[in-house]
Amino acid sequence: GESVGLHLPTLSVQEGDNSIINCAYSNSASDYFIWYKQESGKGPQFIIDIRSNMDKRQGQRVTVLLNKTVKHLSLQIAATQPGDSAVYFCAENYGNTPLVFGKGTRLSVIA
Amino acid sequence: GAGVSQSPRYKVAKRGQDVALRCDPISGHVSLFWYQQALGQGPEFLTYFQNEAQLDKSGLPSDRFFAERPEGSVSTLKIQRTQQEDSAVYLCASSLEQGFRSEQYFGPGTRLTVT
Repeated sequence: GESVGLHLPTLSVQEGDNSIINCAYSNSASDYFIWYKQESGKGPQFIIDIRSNMDKRQGQRVTVLLNKTVKHLSLQIAATQPGDSAVYFCAENYGNTPLVFGKGTRLSVIA
Repeated sequence: GAGVSQSPRYKVAKRGQDVALRCDPISGHVSLFWYQQALGQGPEFLTYFQNEAQLDKSGLPSDRFFAERPEGSVSTLKIQRTQQEDSAVYLCASSLEQGFRSEQYFGPGTRLTVT
């Protein structure tokens, strides 16, 4: 499949370890945030979202942390698996405005 | 069930040609979105439809870009007089409810290369 990005920041983790992917957002008015996973040749896939009235939300093997003070978002993946290898994007929005995506981080899982 | 489909998956156009990219959303989804994704970048919003109404086209980069969804289902993104800077992956997404916060389901994209 085609590559979604050639010069993205890359995070390499050993299979079974935990992964932490970070995102700095720019708009202090943003009050809704989403993490997406994009595999090569595919469109982005929703992972988890969080609203600004929360600072933590957990899903299946994933946790999103939001720090509004420093405008920082992180995605934690527990027990990383080879199938987690992909590019991960954070997206933000406020009110009824379009989602704004970050640049992405490539996660590479070493078996 | 079937997800969002897009056609063609790959398109090569000579500079100056017109292209039309098709999106088939998930059946019954009210909202439809188009994004442009340059290599190494995140998707960038182009336009948004609620049923057949184009409610937001603030992301269209120029008047060469035009989108329609005449019957509130299939959508077409047309680019006239293509330029090299139009080379990108064009993603379509649909969601069940109106607005930008309803979960968006993305298609695989159409990769446009302008030579």
